[in-house]
Amino acid sequence: GNSVTQMEGPVTLSEEAFLTINCTYTATGYPSLFWYVQYPGEGLQLLLKATKADDKGSNKGFEATYRKETTSFHLEKGSVQVSDSAVYFCALTPNSGGYQKVTFGTGTKLQVIP
Amino acid sequence: DTEVTQTPKHLVMGMTNKKSLKCEQHMGHRAMYWYKQKAKKPPELMFVYSYEKLSINESVPSRFSPECPNSSLLNLHLHALQPEDSALYLCASSAAGGRSYEQYFGPGTRLTVT
Repeated sequence: GNSVTQMEGPVTLSEEAFLTINCTYTATGYPSLFWYVQYPGEGLQLLLKATKADDKGSNKGFEATYRKETTSFHLEKGSVQVSDSAVYFCALTPNSGGYQKVTFGTGTKLQVIP
Repeated sequence: DTEVTQTPKHLVMGMTNKKSLKCEQHMGHRAMYWYKQKAKKPPELMFVYSYEKLSINESVPSRFSPECPNSSLLNLHLHALQPEDSALYLCASSAAGGRSYEQYFGPGTRLTVT
């Protein structure tokens, strides 16, 4: 079956530090890959996505590249802010027609301290 | 407008009560979803509606009853819940039929069963 593995958290960084949150996946074919963010007390928001190998998704200074050879979709940001403190979920949908269930990773909590 | 709204924001109910959660979107999406999220866990899919018809029920107990009155509205009727049903209930919507379509989430209803 499909699965998504994320690094354990929490990840604690100082403001302006470089962020990497690792995500690897298992799926047949070419799934679509997503990063969602959940701020405290809120629902999930799509942060970025990539739908084919070597695509780079980017938004709000965050980036992730779809690496088919390493089955990875690591999230990066060059300089984090306190406002980036949230839980980040890596997710995939498989490559086939019709509705396909989203597989979420377990989530990584990011804490950014001033 | 990329907003999914949910009401109420918080709900406390006894095990013998009947209550309903409501979700609304005006993005023209024809797929709508209910998820359950426990603390520090990713969302778990409960139901999927596609073109106002129930297409997926993830073996959810019958004390949860979904309803899709029209393409913009989604309800979740609750009856005789158990304390372990306490969680954040998230509604989401997306375009229908495509694997790469991202889901847009509402802020959720925080449900407490006493």
